[in-house]
Amino acid sequence: AQSVTQLGSHVSVSEGALVLLRCNYSSSVPPYLFWYVQYPNQGLQLLLKYTSAATLVKGINGFEAEFKKSETSFHLTKPSAHMSDAAEYFCAVSYPSGYSTLTFGKGTMLLVSP
Amino acid sequence: ETGVTQSPTHLIKTRGQQVTLRCSSQSGHNTVSWYQQALGQGPQFIFQYYREEENGRGNFPPRFSGLQFPNYSSELNVNALELDDSALYLCASRTSGGSGTDTQYFGPGTRLTVL
Repeated sequence: AQSVTQLGSHVSVSEGALVLLRCNYSSSVPPYLFWYVQYPNQGLQLLLKYTSAATLVKGINGFEAEFKKSETSFHLTKPSAHMSDAAEYFCAVSYPSGYSTLTFGKGTMLLVSP
Repeated sequence: ETGVTQSPTHLIKTRGQQVTLRCSSQSGHNTVSWYQQALGQGPQFIFQYYREEENGRGNFPPRFSGLQFPNYSSELNVNALELDDSALYLCASRTSGGSGTDTQYFGPGTRLTVL
């Protein structure tokens, strides 16, 4: 069965610093990978997705992620954090077979200090 | 914001009761999935409906059931509520039933509290 591991339940950065949120997946076949963001009292919003095209994926709000098959990773980065980036971030996987639902990690809360 | 809406926003029930949560899909979407997000956890897949038929189910007991209507709106029903059913319930819609590349658009969720 597939699974997603997000290292660090909380990550703290200063405004303007690099953001790095880690995601590793466990799978016997290459998955599709997603990053979602959840602001307080809201649903999930898609930041970006990897669907077997370019391994470096650019998303909204300046975020990007790189798929590394050899490391089974899909880490999310942003060069310079803004206060508005403070939220919870979820990494998720899906597969082309079956009914293609999402399997989520436990999430990482990003805290941004001035 | 997505075009997915959910009602009610918040709900308080007591153990043993039954609850119905509603979801209106984004226009043009024929597939809806429901997820349960417990406090401090990632969302967990409950089930999925494609053109009014359930075509996938996660590890949830039969007291969790659903419906999808011809206009692609959907309901999640939970019978015999338990304290552990307290969670945020998320509905997500998309345009097809089988491609893993499809983006799922999430609603704001319904916060269910079971006392």
